[in-house]
Amino acid sequence: EVQLVESGGGLGQPGGSLRLSCAASGFSFGRFAMIWVRQAPGKGLEWLSVISASGTSTYYADSVKGRFTISRDNSKSALYLQMNSLRAEDTAVYYCAKDLDTVATMIEYWGQGTLVTVSS
Amino acid sequence: QSALTQEASVSGTVGQKVTLSCTGNSNNIGTYAVAWYQQISHGPPKAVMFENSLPSGIPDRFSGSKSGTTASLTISGLQPEDEAYYYCLTWDYILSAQVFGGGTKLTVL
Repeated sequence: EVQLVESGGGLGQPGGSLRLSCAASGFSFGRFAMIWVRQAPGKGLEWLSVISASGTSTYYADSVKGRFTISRDNSKSALYLQMNSLRAEDTAVYYCAKDLDTVATMIEYWGQGTLVTVSS
Repeated sequence: QSALTQEASVSGTVGQKVTLSCTGNSNNIGTYAVAWYQQISHGPPKAVMFENSLPSGIPDRFSGSKSGTTASLTISGLQPEDEAYYYCLTWDYILSAQVFGGGTKLTVL
């Protein structure tokens, strides 16, 4: 059974940093692209970033480019999102997700999400 | 403003057939596969369609299609448990990013 468990959410300060982690199990982690998606309160889904299976290719939404960094450790079956220069509008539930393929195609599975609140 | 346009809301009665649409352009839907996700009560989304293939465990009353730059998700024999938000997703090569539609709230009357 595929499991994706996010952690690291909580309260962040404006201008501060947070690092989200996603622990994956139930599949060959190193064979699939991984994605981060967020959902602000009362809003729709917003795609943030994808990293290829090997980790060599990354892509970002304009809203987080230059502030957020996606990375992975295939030896630990772990996905990360380093979030810097946090803004109030980054407040959202952040989901870790698994792709169908080695590169970005379609999201197959989702984690339960972790809440990030940016406030002073 | 999303690159993909979905109806804000759609409603139907139990047993009815409803179709949700997702409109993009040649940079996204016209070139790449489209997936559909169901989100109930702000829980995590769940995949209900990969282009025109059903994920495991999804009932066959769900079907997907695409014509040009518009993708569609059809639910035949609507059930109360189908009430949810539905989002489409595809790749956009101009943006070099995946993009979601704004979402459709499906109400089962």
